[in-house]
Amino acid sequence: DQQVKQNSPSLSVQEGRISILNCDYTNSMFDYFLWYKKYPAEGPTFLISISSIKDKNEDGRFTVFLNKSAKHLSLHIVPSQPGDSAVYFCAALFGNEKLTFGTGTRLTIIP
Amino acid sequence: DVKVTQSSRYLVKRTGEKVFLECVQDMDHENMFWYRQDPGLGLRLIYFSYDVKMKEKGDIPEGYSVSREKKERFSLILESASTNQTSMYLCASSKLAGGREEQFFGPGTRLTVL
Repeated sequence: DQQVKQNSPSLSVQEGRISILNCDYTNSMFDYFLWYKKYPAEGPTFLISISSIKDKNEDGRFTVFLNKSAKHLSLHIVPSQPGDSAVYFCAALFGNEKLTFGTGTRLTIIP
Repeated sequence: DVKVTQSSRYLVKRTGEKVFLECVQDMDHENMFWYRQDPGLGLRLIYFSYDVKMKEKGDIPEGYSVSREKKERFSLILESASTNQTSMYLCASSKLAGGREEQFFGPGTRLTVL
C-alpha cells in the first residue's frame, strides 16, 4: 500500500516558468516531509524539507507547501531552469522512523 | 566533500548466484541504508543499520541480508539471486538516527539477474 503518492509520473515546463510538483500522503501520523532530486546515473540529493508545524518553507527558488487537512504537499520551483530537469521524490516520516518515499516525478524543463 | 561509493555501477548475474553489493562512506556516519528503486514504486527500504554489527529490516527485506563489520562499510547480500531482484540498488548514509537527518546517497548499482 503506497502511503506516499506522486500521481504525475512526468511533467514538462517551459524554462523560466513555475514548476509545481505534487505529493499526496495517506498516513496522518507523518510529521516531517522532504524532497529529494535525482539526476540520471547519480544518487538522490536532498533538496528541501518541512515540518508539520509549518505550512511553507522556502529556500531560494524552491518552496514547499504543506496542506495537512488535504494531506498534500507541493514543491514549487521558480523560475525553472534547464538544470532542474531530474526526477523528484517526496518522502515522509513520523517521529524518528524511517523515510517513506513517493514514486517520483520526472521533470523536464524545455529551453 | 561527502562521499558514498558503491562497488559497481552495473552488474549482471545469473539466477541462483550469490551477489554482494558493497557500499562505503567516508563521512564517519552512524547510519547506513540500502534501498531499491523500481519504476512506479519509488525508493523502498531493504535494510538499515544504526551501528556496527547492528541491522534492522526495512520494508522489503525478503531475499536479502546485510553485513556491517566496520562503521564505513555496509554490504547487501542476495543469497540466491532471482529475476525479480533486477533493480537499481542505492546505498545511503546519515549522521544521526532517523529520517530527519539528510541522507547522502551513492550513485547506485544497476543489477540485472538473468
